[in-house]
Amino acid sequence: AQTVTQSQPEMSVQEAETVTLSCTYDTSENNYYLFWYKQPPSRQMILVIRQEAYKQQNATENRFSVNFQKAAKSFSLKISDSQLGDTAMYFCAFMTAGTASKLTFGTGTRLQVTL
Amino acid sequence: DTGVSQDPRHKITKRGQNVTFRCDPISEHNRLYWYRQTLGQGPEFLTYFQNEAQLEKSRLLSDRFSAERPKGSFSTLEIQRTEQGDSAMYLCASSEQGANEKLFFGSGTQLSVL
Repeated sequence: AQTVTQSQPEMSVQEAETVTLSCTYDTSENNYYLFWYKQPPSRQMILVIRQEAYKQQNATENRFSVNFQKAAKSFSLKISDSQLGDTAMYFCAFMTAGTASKLTFGTGTRLQVTL
Repeated sequence: DTGVSQDPRHKITKRGQNVTFRCDPISEHNRLYWYRQTLGQGPEFLTYFQNEAQLEKSRLLSDRFSAERPKGSFSTLEIQRTEQGDSAMYLCASSEQGANEKLFFGSGTQLSVL
């Protein structure tokens, strides 16, 4: 079974600064996907960024980028130029390829962006 | 495309009552998922459908839980004889089968069992 660990329950960052959220995972699979989802107070889970394990290049989406270290089973999210609207719970998630998008989530990191 | 919608947004019920939630996926998505999220935890997979077929159920889905997707469009999740431990947010998601499939989530139904 896969496990996803997020060791930072809460983080705080000032507006316009950069913050990094940590995630580690455990799996014996070789072909998988990793995700970061954002859950604002509206409760809807929103996909932030997605990484295929077979790709060495780290994924980027505008102000969001990841540091994917496959050997270390580490998948951190970097948010640059933080904005107040980035305040939310952030969940790291794992999916084995070919398992019909069934996700295993971590326990989340609550990010507060302050003025 | 109006996204994934779930109804109701909140449900309060007494222990022992039956409840039913509805999920309307994005129209062209043939896969539909139910997840449960308790306070302080990430969502946990419950079950998923491809079209009208229920292809997988988690061990979390006890005999009191039943999900249907009769015409391959909307889905319902029913909980019979609710228990206080059923209190959680129930999230629905949908995806389009394919190489770049991504899950799109609804805003969930928050269930409180008194």
